[in-house]
Amino acid sequence: GQQVMQIPQYQHVQEGEDFTTYCNSSTTLSNIQWYKQRPGGHPVFLIQLVKSGEVKKQKRLTFQFGEAKKNSSLHITATQTTDVGTYFCVTGGGNKLTFGTGTQLKVEL
Amino acid sequence: DAGVIQSPRHEVTEMGQEVTLRCKPISGHNSLFWYRQTMMRGLELLIYFNNNVPIDDSGMPEDRFSAKMPNASFSTLKIQPSEPRDSAVYFCASRPYRVGRFDNSPLHFGNGTRLTVT
Repeated sequence: GQQVMQIPQYQHVQEGEDFTTYCNSSTTLSNIQWYKQRPGGHPVFLIQLVKSGEVKKQKRLTFQFGEAKKNSSLHITATQTTDVGTYFCVTGGGNKLTFGTGTQLKVEL
Repeated sequence: DAGVIQSPRHEVTEMGQEVTLRCKPISGHNSLFWYRQTMMRGLELLIYFNNNVPIDDSGMPEDRFSAKMPNASFSTLKIQPSEPRDSAVYFCASRPYRVGRFDNSPLHFGNGTRLTVT
């Protein structure tokens, strides 16, 4: 499968601060998905990006797909304790979906 | 929609014993995936099926691991004999598979089976 690097590996923020995680590939991606996994839970689909330069928003979450389709980012504005978890980008063509290493987000009051 | 159902939720066994993990995908989903999650390796794809047929098992770590999908509503992942390094959370996921599409339908995960081999 395609190799992607996800950074940072961990992030601690104070509640109310912003948070961004990045997914980078050395090859062009056909599409990218983002998932969230709460502690002790299972990955849950958030969104899929397909088009070059695409930007999608879900409330305080903003997802971007790079112009060259080699990178993507997830930005959370004004984090809340409910945002705690690990965020994964997922890539792959056809049916072989590969998870990135994930970014673990901790939010402190 | 009952979601993807996995059993058992927890399994504790001794080294050398056979372990069987079970999965019932969402009705109508014709693609099924088995993933393993550990702190060291993250989420690894072990094997996936399309229309009950194994497509890629290159992620299966060793011959001790085997997976079957005898029908559209049931799959098993078996480890025989189990070893302590097999301890992990095993997830099953399903989704509709459409030939020729370049985009991907979302994966729906079960709650996982936490396996501990002592």
